[in-house]
Amino acid sequence: NAGVTQTPKFRVLKTGQSMTLLCAQDMNHEYMYWYRQDPGMGLRLIHYSVGEGTTAKGEVPDGYNVSRLKKQNFLLGLESAAPSQTSVYFCASSYSSAGVADTQYFGPGTRLTVL
Amino acid sequence: GQSLEQPSEVTAVEGAIVQINCTYQTSGFYGLSWYQQHDGGAPTFLSYNALDGLEETGRFSSFLSRSDSYGYLLLQELQMKDSASYFCAVRAVSGGYNKLIFGAGTRLAVHP
Repeated sequence: NAGVTQTPKFRVLKTGQSMTLLCAQDMNHEYMYWYRQDPGMGLRLIHYSVGEGTTAKGEVPDGYNVSRLKKQNFLLGLESAAPSQTSVYFCASSYSSAGVADTQYFGPGTRLTVL
Repeated sequence: GQSLEQPSEVTAVEGAIVQINCTYQTSGFYGLSWYQQHDGGAPTFLSYNALDGLEETGRFSSFLSRSDSYGYLLLQELQMKDSASYFCAVRAVSGGYNKLIFGAGTRLAVHP
C-alpha cells in the first residue's frame, strides 16, 4: 500500500496563477483533509470531506476550493494564488472521525511558494 | 474558543527522559492525540488517549487528565532520532463541524 500520496512535491507560482494539488489514498478511508502548515504553527485545516461527493470548510478555507469526485482522491485548488498562500500543504485521511479510528495518515506534503 | 498550549522547545540528552505537556481548552472533547514530525517530513501518529490515565507504547507513553484538561507525552531512553516536533491534537466541535485541532508543536532537540 502506498498510503497517502500527494502531487506535486514542490511548486513555484506567480501571484494570480492557478493550480491544483492532488491527494490520493489507497486505504479506503472515508475522511480526507487538507491542511496547511506555516513556520512555528501547527496544522490548520483548510477543507475536509466526510465521503465521496461531499466537502466542507475548515478553519482557513478562503482562497481555496476542493473536490472529492472519487473516494480515493481529494483535490485542492487555488484559483488565484497569493503570496500569503506560500506554505506546506498536507493531505491526510482517516477511517472515521471518532476514537482511535480517527488516526490521520498524512501524505508527504507539497511545498508551495507564491512569488 | 478552542486552544491548545504546549512548550515551543525542549532540549534533552541521549538516554534521558523528557515530558512534553499539553493543556487544552475545547468543547465536546473526544480525546487527545500525539503526532511526531521530523524536519521536512509528514506528521505521523504516535498515541491516542480517550480516558484518564497512562497509555504506554514502547519508549513512548501518553497521559490524559480530562478533569484538568491536561495531557503529556513521555519519551524515555531518548535517542538522537527522537529529535523532531511533537504535536498534541484534540478533536472538537467548532463552528458546526467536527475537526482535529493541532497545537503549535514542541520542537525536541536531543543532544549526545
